[in-house]
Amino acid sequence: SQKIEQNSEALNIQEGKTATLTCNYTNYSPAYLQWYRQDPGRGPVFLLLIRENEKEKRKERLKVTFDTTLKQSLFHITASQPADSATYLCALYNNNDMRFGAGTRLTVKP
Amino acid sequence: NAGVTQTPKFRILKIGQSMTLQCTQDMNHNYMYWYRQDPGMGLKLIYYSVGAGITDKGEVPNGYNVSRSTTEDFPLRLELAAPSQTSVYFCASSYSGTGAAGYTFGSGTRLTVV
Repeated sequence: SQKIEQNSEALNIQEGKTATLTCNYTNYSPAYLQWYRQDPGRGPVFLLLIRENEKEKRKERLKVTFDTTLKQSLFHITASQPADSATYLCALYNNNDMRFGAGTRLTVKP
Repeated sequence: NAGVTQTPKFRILKIGQSMTLQCTQDMNHNYMYWYRQDPGMGLKLIYYSVGAGITDKGEVPNGYNVSRSTTEDFPLRLELAAPSQTSVYFCASSYSGTGAAGYTFGSGTRLTVV
């Protein structure tokens, strides 16, 4: 069956360091992969997306990679700040179907 | 712009009661979605709509119904509420149904069935 796995444990890093979050998937061939940020008690907020034929995408301090051979996407936040603390969700789209991972909770400590 | 607006924010229902979760968007998006989010689980798609008058089932539609009479509104109806429907419900919209655009989510409705 289709499965999307994100870092099951919370990620704690020091301010200024680079946070790297992982999204792995099985039995799936997504045409697009998206990343969202979700704060407690709020809805997810779209950050960026990457297409299956793209290797890397950047937006300000964010970088996403997409390896369809490894079936993995990495989400990087450089020069992390306490305000980046949130849960980050990956979402995979194919054939009218968008599936979301459970998310990884990131805490950036000052 | 308000984006996607959901009401109510919180609700407690008794088993067997019914209610409607409201969702309105002001971005003229054709595509709208209802998801539920349970602790430790990814968002699960309940129903979606590709335009006014057109709806279809998602991954977990049982116990729910939807309608889409206008582009702006996409209410979710719960009939005969059950404890298994205790969850946080999110409505979302998008201008593209191909995954080429991100979804805009509402702030959610936290529902408890007792």
